[in-house]
Amino acid sequence: KAGVTQTPRYLIKTRGQQVTLSCSPISGHRSVSWYQQTPGQGLQFLFEYFSETQRNKGNFPGRFSGRQFSNSRSEMNVSTLELGDSALYLCASSSAHGEQYFGPGTRLTVT
Amino acid sequence: AQSVTQLDSQVPVFEEAPVELRCNYSSSVSVYLFWYVQYPNQGLQLLLKYLSGSTLVKGINGFEAEFNKSQTSFHLRKPSVHISDTAEYFCAVSEGTGNQFYFGTGTSLTVIP
Repeated sequence: KAGVTQTPRYLIKTRGQQVTLSCSPISGHRSVSWYQQTPGQGLQFLFEYFSETQRNKGNFPGRFSGRQFSNSRSEMNVSTLELGDSALYLCASSSAHGEQYFGPGTRLTVT
Repeated sequence: AQSVTQLDSQVPVFEEAPVELRCNYSSSVSVYLFWYVQYPNQGLQLLLKYLSGSTLVKGINGFEAEFNKSQTSFHLRKPSVHISDTAEYFCAVSEGTGNQFYFGTGTSLTVIP
C-alpha cells in the first residue's frame, strides 16, 4: 500500500497570505489528523477528521481550518499567515486498530 | 486530557551500548501506547505499539518497550545501538480508537561512534 502523501513538500508564503495543504491517507483509512511541529512547541494537534466530519480539535485559532472529502483526502487551510505559523505540518492517517501513520510533512516558511 | 512526559530531552550513547528512553503518561485509564522515530526532515515512523495483551512489545530496528500500568510508563529500549539510530524519538498515548493522540516533547538520541 502507498503511504500517506502530502503536497506540497515545501512552501514559502508572505505574512497575511493564506495557504492550503493537502494530504492523501493510506487507502482504506478514514481518519486523518493534522499536527503542527515547531522546535519550541513540539508536536501540537490541530484537528482530526473522520468520514468528512471533524471529530477532534486542538487549541488553535480559527485561522486554522480543515476539511475532508468523500475519498478521505484532507486539506488544511491557514488564513492571514503569521511568522509564527512557520512550521512542519504533518498529516497522519489512522487504521481501524488505532495507530497513526504519518506523511513526510509540508515545510511552511512565512516571511 | 492525557499528558505525556519524556524525561530526557537528549540522550547521548556510544555505539553498541544499550539505551533506554523513558516515557510516562498521566492517566491510568485504558490506553494505547506508541513510539515513533523521526529522522531529519522526515515525518514520524511508527516503531512499535501497545494496544493490548503482552506488556513487552517488540518493534522494528531491534527496539522493544514495556508497558507498566502501575507506573504508567512505556519505556523504549534497545540492547545495542547503531549510528543509524540517531534520531528524535516520540512517545504517544491514545485513549482508544477514535481518540486524540497525545505526544511527548521528544528525546533526541545521538549515537557516538
